[in-house]
Amino acid sequence: NAGVTQTPKFQVLKTGQSMTLQCAQDMNHEYMSWYRQDPGMGLRLIHYSVGAGITDQGEVPNGYNVSRSTTEDFPLRLLSAAPSQTSVYFCASSLGGMSNEKLFFGSGTQLSVL
Amino acid sequence: KQEVTQIPAALSVPEGENLVLNCSFTDSAIYNLQWFRQDPGKGLTSLLLIQSSQREQTSGRLNASLDKSSGRSTLYIAASQPGDSATYLCAVRDDYKLSFGAGTTVTVRA
Repeated sequence: NAGVTQTPKFQVLKTGQSMTLQCAQDMNHEYMSWYRQDPGMGLRLIHYSVGAGITDQGEVPNGYNVSRSTTEDFPLRLLSAAPSQTSVYFCASSLGGMSNEKLFFGSGTQLSVL
Repeated sequence: KQEVTQIPAALSVPEGENLVLNCSFTDSAIYNLQWFRQDPGKGLTSLLLIQSSQREQTSGRLNASLDKSSGRSTLYIAASQPGDSATYLCAVRDDYKLSFGAGTTVTVRA
């Protein structure tokens, strides 16, 4: 009963470093997405995927890359970290794009960029 | 661009009082609206999902209504308990994208 698993839970980076946030789900969900949560701003969509091999940009995609080679995994890559990317990152998934499907969230990754 | 607003930002009530949380959105062309609960340092848990063709959904002490034409949703929590203390977020879905409000942080005093 793992659901949506995110790793790591905490990460500190220096400006310019790169890293990958991992997200995996075991529910055979087609739809996966990445959000960032900043104080007072709610969650903002970074990238999403409607199936393996298909990705698209959300509201705040700059500075982030994604790929979807399998149904289970949807990693988020920061190529050159900036202090503005300090945030809490959430991965979420749902069965598909139908209107009656709830979104399931991982527990988040708290990222600090110094 | 869809804008989602939640008022108030914070709410404190004594145990047993009913809670009323408000959510408004600017574009009525939505697929659904979801209410989530977030505990400190945790992810989000979906509480209720209302499809665009529905007017309300109920689960236990929770009831959510949707008025798409006026761009409003209300979450009612009956007979609040200290365990209801959390941040509640609403989100509207346009196609494959969800737009979130900033949330209402609720404190239920014992």
